[in-house]
Amino acid sequence: DTGVSQNPRHKITKRGQNVTFRCDPISEHNRLYWYRQTLGQGPEFLTYFQNEAQLEKSRLLSDRFSAERPKGSFSTLEIQRTEQGDSAMYLCASSPKTSGGLNTGELFFGEGSRLTVL
Amino acid sequence: AQSVTQLDSQVPVFEEAPVELRCNYSSSVSVYLFWYVQYPNQGLQLLLKYLSGSTLVKGINGFEAEFNKSQTSFHLRKPSVHISDTAEYFCAVSAGAQKLVFGQGTRLTINP
Repeated sequence: DTGVSQNPRHKITKRGQNVTFRCDPISEHNRLYWYRQTLGQGPEFLTYFQNEAQLEKSRLLSDRFSAERPKGSFSTLEIQRTEQGDSAMYLCASSPKTSGGLNTGELFFGEGSRLTVL
Repeated sequence: AQSVTQLDSQVPVFEEAPVELRCNYSSSVSVYLFWYVQYPNQGLQLLLKYLSGSTLVKGINGFEAEFNKSQTSFHLRKPSVHISDTAEYFCAVSAGAQKLVFGQGTRLTINP
């Protein structure tokens, strides 16, 4: 078990540029989540997938944000036309089914991808 | 919709003293409750979880938490803290097993 892997770990970009983050979840986990965390705050939910289906998207997520999980394995989060307010740590997490076939919401987090928009 | 309130943004304690980090939640349905810890420059790590059964749950590093349904609380405790416990602690709730909603975090600082 190699855990949840995210890359790049750090990204510095200029305002207006597009950026893409990749997340590789724990292989047997069926759910994948994206959160955003700013300094001194708790993680804020962005979106989540069950297998390849995107089941929920936060209303806080503008149209500039898009996430995909094309084959139900890895996921990408793209931010178009970045703004300085997008500077944050972007966290990916995956979640397994229990032996009873349910998801409890327990998350296994990656190290995060830190975005700085200049 | 569920929400989580961590009542203290910062908690300073002396080494080997006991500590309690407070967490209250609101939800109209049954919940699962979690505490995560984030050490400096690291990702979030699960400390403990309440899914069902005994309301007193034990986690890693000597931490425990008690689920109190009537007070909608899930306070985290440790009888004797160590310098290495310095970190940010997050309480989180999952209702209907959809997504975790996190509190704002409590920064625990251990002084020698």
